[in-house]
Amino acid sequence: NAGVTQTPKFQVLKTGQSMTLQCAQDMNHEYMSWYRQDPGMGLRLIHYSVGAGITDQGEVPNGYNVSRSTTEDFPLRLLSAAPSQTSVYFCASTPSLAGSYNEQFFGPGTRLTVL
Amino acid sequence: SQKIEQNSEALNIQEGKTATLTCNYTNYSPAYLQWYRQDPGRGPVFLLLIRENEKEKRKERLKVTFDTTLKQSLFHITASQPADSATYLCALSGGSYIPTFGRGTSLIVHP
Repeated sequence: NAGVTQTPKFQVLKTGQSMTLQCAQDMNHEYMSWYRQDPGMGLRLIHYSVGAGITDQGEVPNGYNVSRSTTEDFPLRLLSAAPSQTSVYFCASTPSLAGSYNEQFFGPGTRLTVL
Repeated sequence: SQKIEQNSEALNIQEGKTATLTCNYTNYSPAYLQWYRQDPGRGPVFLLLIRENEKEKRKERLKVTFDTTLKQSLFHITASQPADSATYLCALSGGSYIPTFGRGTSLIVHP
C-alpha cells in the first residue's frame, strides 16, 4: 500500500491563480480530510468527506473547494489564490470516522507559496 | 469556545530521562484523545489513542493518561533518546468524532 499520497510536494503560485492539490489513498478509507498547518497555528481543518459524494466544511473553508467522486481521491481546489493561503497542506484519511479504529493517516504534505 | 492547549515552549531533556508532555482542554466532552508525532517536513504519524473511559494506555516506551475531571492528558516517553526529538501533537474528538488538533510541543532530547 502506498498509503496517502499528495501531489505536488511544492508549488508557487501568483495571486489570483487557481490550482488543485491532489490527494489519494489506497486503503479504502471512508473518511478523508484536508488540513492546513501554519507556524504557531497547528493543524486547522479545511474540508472533510465521510464518503464518496459527501463533503462538508471544516474550520477554515473559505477560498477552497473539494469534491469526492471516488473513495480514493479527494482533491482540494484553490479558486483564486491569495497570499494568506501560503501554508503547508496535509491530506488525511481514516477507515471510518465513528468506528473503533480512528487513527488518522496523513500524507507527506504540499508546501504552497502564494506571491 | 473549545480550546486545546499544548505548551508552546520546547521541552529540553537529557537522554535517558522521562519526557512528559501536557495537553489541556476546555469546553470539550471528548470521546477520545490521540497523540501524534511530527518530524520536520513530514506529516503527523499516529502514536496512541485513549478513550474517555480509559485512564491509561501504554505502548512500548510510551504512556498516555487521560483525566476527564482535570481535562488533561499527559504523554510520557520513558528512557528518551535523541531519535525521540520531534513535535508531538494531541488531538481531541468529541461527538462528531472529527479530531481537532493542538498546536504541538517540540521535544528535544540531548545526548
